[in-house]
Amino acid sequence: AQSVAQPEDQVNVAEGNPLTVKCTYSVSGNPYLFWYVQYPNRGLQFLLKYITGDNLVKGSYGFEAEFNKSQTSFHLKKPSALVSDSALYFCAVRDRGSTLGRLYFGRGTQLTVWP
Amino acid sequence: DAGITQSPRHKVTETGTPVTLRCHQTENHRYMYWYRQDPGHGLRLIHYSYGVKDTDKGEVSDGYSVSRSKTEDFLLTLESATSSQTSVYFCAISEDYPSGQQYNTGELFFGEGSRLTVL
Repeated sequence: AQSVAQPEDQVNVAEGNPLTVKCTYSVSGNPYLFWYVQYPNRGLQFLLKYITGDNLVKGSYGFEAEFNKSQTSFHLKKPSALVSDSALYFCAVRDRGSTLGRLYFGRGTQLTVWP
Repeated sequence: DAGITQSPRHKVTETGTPVTLRCHQTENHRYMYWYRQDPGHGLRLIHYSYGVKDTDKGEVSDGYSVSRSKTEDFLLTLESATSSQTSVYFCAISEDYPSGQQYNTGELFFGEGSRLTVL
């Protein structure tokens, strides 16, 4: 069975500081991994994905994520946070063997960046 | 932005009444999904479709039905709404995988959501 854990409901960071939003996963096979962001009263927007290859994936708005197979983690990072990064972040996983594209989501982490 | 439109965007209804939410896409994608979002639960899959008249249940399908008579439209129906179905509902689509590829590696594209309140 597929599952995703986001251990922190809330992450607070000062503007200009690096940020990390944590994600660990469990899948029966090799995973495809995704990060999405949700701004208030909006749908989810795709940030980045890991399919194969380089363990460090770069995405939109300066975000990146590091795939660590041994720790089954896919943490989202940004070197310098902006106030505008404040939003709800979701990690998601799907089984590489699935042809249907359905994702399993974590519960979300609320990121707050203060000035 | 992917061409996904959800309607209505907001609805308040009473327990026991039927409700239908509509998802309309202009991308001609094969796969469509209905998720619900609740605090502390993230997004949970209700139903999904892999083609016209081809649908299947997700993890929280009780009390919901779906229909897909055209590629572009995916309807979610609550036959008799209950307060536990108060939620924000999101439609999503995923791109078809290119010819010759075995698996779909594409991400999901989401609509703006439909907020349903059942009193």
